[in-house]
Amino acid sequence: QVQLQESGPGLVKPSETLSLTCTVSGYSISSGYYWGWIRQPPGKGLEWIGSIYHSGSTYYNPSLKSRVTISVDTSKNQFSLKLSSVTAADTAVYYCYMVRGVMIGYYYYYYMDVWGKGTTVTVSS
Amino acid sequence: DIQMTQSPSSLSASVGDRVTITCRASQSISSYLNWYQQKPGKAPKLLIYAASSLQSGVPSRFSGSGSGTDFTLTISSLQPEDFATYYCQQSYSTAYSFGQGTKLEIK
Repeated sequence: QVQLQESGPGLVKPSETLSLTCTVSGYSISSGYYWGWIRQPPGKGLEWIGSIYHSGSTYYNPSLKSRVTISVDTSKNQFSLKLSSVTAADTAVYYCYMVRGVMIGYYYYYYMDVWGKGTTVTVSS
Repeated sequence: DIQMTQSPSSLSASVGDRVTITCRASQSISSYLNWYQQKPGKAPKLLIYAASSLQSGVPSRFSGSGSGTDFTLTISSLQPEDFATYYCQQSYSTAYSFGQGTKLEIK
């Protein structure tokens, strides 16, 4: 059974860089699939941050692209999120996820299938 | 960017009711549409993928339909555990996006 666990500081100062790690158990990242991050500000909806393929190809939310870096460390079976120049608007619960896919007919469909429990990050001085 | 718009934003219903939530994409996304349920303090849970395929373990009272730009999630007979927030998400583009959510509350 695949499990994901987020870790990282719960408090980050404005203008600094938020860094989170997602540790994967029950599956080897290097075997495939996409991995990524979403966030949820207090009382608000889900915002997709970005994804990374096991090979290292990355895909980011255009509104965050200039500040986001997602990377993979296959030796540790982890992937990470860095968000630079944070402000109070970046305060949120951050979730890591695994994307799986299925072939239906001639097409491959992807969906977020496994999630971490989430970690709260507050941006404040 | 593909924008996803859900309606309604909130909905009050009673146990046993049939409920429909709508999701509209800003461009055609074929059937690359997923639905998730989220309860307070919990991670989202996948209900439907590829617009109409039921995820393993999800009760059959949940169903999805649609293609192109217009999609629906239907709960045929609401149960107490179904009161939650529901999100649609497109996977047509590698830049995923979610709808703003529909909060389903007890009447």
